[in-house]
Order: sequence, then structure tokens, then C-alpha cells
Amino acid sequence: GAGVSQSPSNKVTEKGKDVELRCDPISGHTALYWYRQSLGQGLEFLIYFQGNSAPDKSGLPSDRFSAERTGGSVSTLTIQRTQQEDSAVYLCASMRGPQETQYFGPGTRLLVL
Amino acid sequence: KNEVEQSPQNLTAQEGEFITINCSYSVGISALHWLQQHPGGGIVSLFMLSSGKKKHGRLIATINIQEKHSSLHITASHPRDSAVYICAVLRGNEKLTFGTGTRLTIIP
Repeated sequence: GAGVSQSPSNKVTEKGKDVELRCDPISGHTALYWYRQSLGQGLEFLIYFQGNSAPDKSGLPSDRFSAERTGGSVSTLTIQRTQQEDSAVYLCASMRGPQETQYFGPGTRLLVL
Repeated sequence: KNEVEQSPQNLTAQEGEFITINCSYSVGISALHWLQQHPGGGIVSLFMLSSGKKKHGRLIATINIQEKHSSLHITASHPRDSAVYICAVLRGNEKLTFGTGTRLTIIP
């Protein structure tokens, strides 16, 4: 596709349930980021994948959060046992290589009731 | 204190006015990004710069590495420029650290 896509666009879940958020980066982009934007807050880094290197997970807020990137392309962010404070917009971005422009997806708006 | 500070937090101006948004940072960086986030939530990268000045249409971004400061200027502002403008710095670890954004509203 022409840009970064994310699915679902909106997700409402109950506290305690697991959710999976998907990101399809731009084809050929080696780097992929996940960010979170809570209501009224700035963007927050979660995790970074670069090629076949081990991901930088230093931004994940707890061990309930995990992410994987299969085949160097599609990425899935999983939140286990969701809490209300996990409610936010989760954004994915990809870039062709280090020090290049990041292209953002439209985000997944997650609401935990 | 945040590593990246933006000012003002909110800015309302009349159509046609010259707009300046400022960003100061306190860490060593390899590059600085200016991002635009529209009310629908989509984020677009406007500029990435590590020195000097860049221009794209009515938008101009400058950076002073010694002073750890960057500015985003909009000339002949238009209501469609209304958005949140976010400054983000890239450190050597390839992670972006974001400012809290400046909400710009241009009144016709």
C-alpha cells in the first residue's frame, strides 16, 4: 500500500481482556515504531524494530505489553489483561532506514471499559 | 523538567498572520522532527533537520544546535493550518522524544 496502515481503527474492550493491534508498514521500510498517545498527553515511545536486530523494548510500560514483527514486515502489539489506563491511541510508524523520515499510520483508538 | 519543551502550548491567530512555534531541548540530538497532527489524529512528518534551515511551501523550520533550539514558522497562515504541531528529537538510539505539542487555531 501507499502508506502505513493499522487495524482495527477503533477497539473497545473490557478490563482484563487481551487485545492485539496490527501495523502494516510501508513496503521496504526496515524500521518500525510503536507509540502511545493518551488523552491530553504527548506521544510516548513504546518499542522499536530495526531490521533483524533485537527490538528496543525500553518504552513498554509493563510486562503486559509485548510486540513482535514477523518477517520484517507486519507488527502486532499485544496488551494482556488490559487496564483502564491502557486507553489511548496507539500509533505505528515506519521508516526506510536510520535517520530518515518517519511515516505514521492512522492509529488504533483503544478504549478499555 | 521535560527534555523537550514547546511554546506556546496554544496559539490562536487570524488568517494571514505569521506564526512561530518554538522548541527547546536539553539533550544531545542527532536530528529534530516537526510533526503535524490534524484533529482526526493523523500525524504527518513536516521536517527532519539537523542543522540550518529547511523550507517547504509556507513552512520554514530552523534549528540552532548550539542553543538547543528550533522554530517552526508558517507564513500567510490559513485555517487549514489549524492542527497540533509537535517537536520531537532523535537521539543516538534512534528513539524520538516528543514535546507536548502546540495547538494552533487559525481564525478566518
